[in-house]
Amino acid sequence: AQSVTQPDIHITVSEGASLELRCNYSYGATPYLFWYVQSPGQGLQLLLKYFSGDTLVQGIKGFEAEFKRSQSSFNLRKPSVHWSDAAEYFCAVGVLGYSTLTFGKGTMLLVSP
Amino acid sequence: EAQVTQNPRYLITVTGKKLTVTCSQNMNHEYMSWYRQDPGLGLRQIYYSMNVEVTDKGDVPEGYKVSRKEKRNFPLILESPSPNQTSLYFCASSPGTGATNYGYTFGSGTRLTVV
Repeated sequence: AQSVTQPDIHITVSEGASLELRCNYSYGATPYLFWYVQSPGQGLQLLLKYFSGDTLVQGIKGFEAEFKRSQSSFNLRKPSVHWSDAAEYFCAVGVLGYSTLTFGKGTMLLVSP
Repeated sequence: EAQVTQNPRYLITVTGKKLTVTCSQNMNHEYMSWYRQDPGLGLRQIYYSMNVEVTDKGDVPEGYKVSRKEKRNFPLILESPSPNQTSLYFCASSPGTGATNYGYTFGSGTRLTVV
């Protein structure tokens, strides 16, 4: 069975600074990888996804993520954080042909002025 | 607008009183799922459905039922709610699980409190 680890429960970043949120997955074959964002009181919004091909994927809101098979990682990055990026971020892994998405426990991003 | 609609958004109920949380999607998606979100545990899948009349258990199905009589609707039923089912619930739908169509759209959530 697949699993996802997000090592950081909370991260605080200054506005304008760069951001990297970590995600490690465990799965025997090539997984489908996703990043979702959840703003307070809201549902989950898909930021980006990786299925195959180019290991650097671009998403919405200026986010990108890089798939590194050798490290079993799919870290989310943004060059310059805005206060509106404060939210909880979830990494998830899916498997071809199976409808279950397995989520990490989330990383809460706080943005300081 | 393409969306997944859940109702109600907030619900407080008493132990043992049957309730249903509705979920509807307008995207003609084949797959639908229910998740619960608890602090420190992330999201865990309760049940999922691959198509009309086809459902299966997820990771935490105990105490829940679902049905998929129509493609657009996927209600979650708690026949005898207990306090440990107090949680934030999300319904989600996806067109498929292949390389070109895998991607869940989530509803806004239902915050359930069982007292």
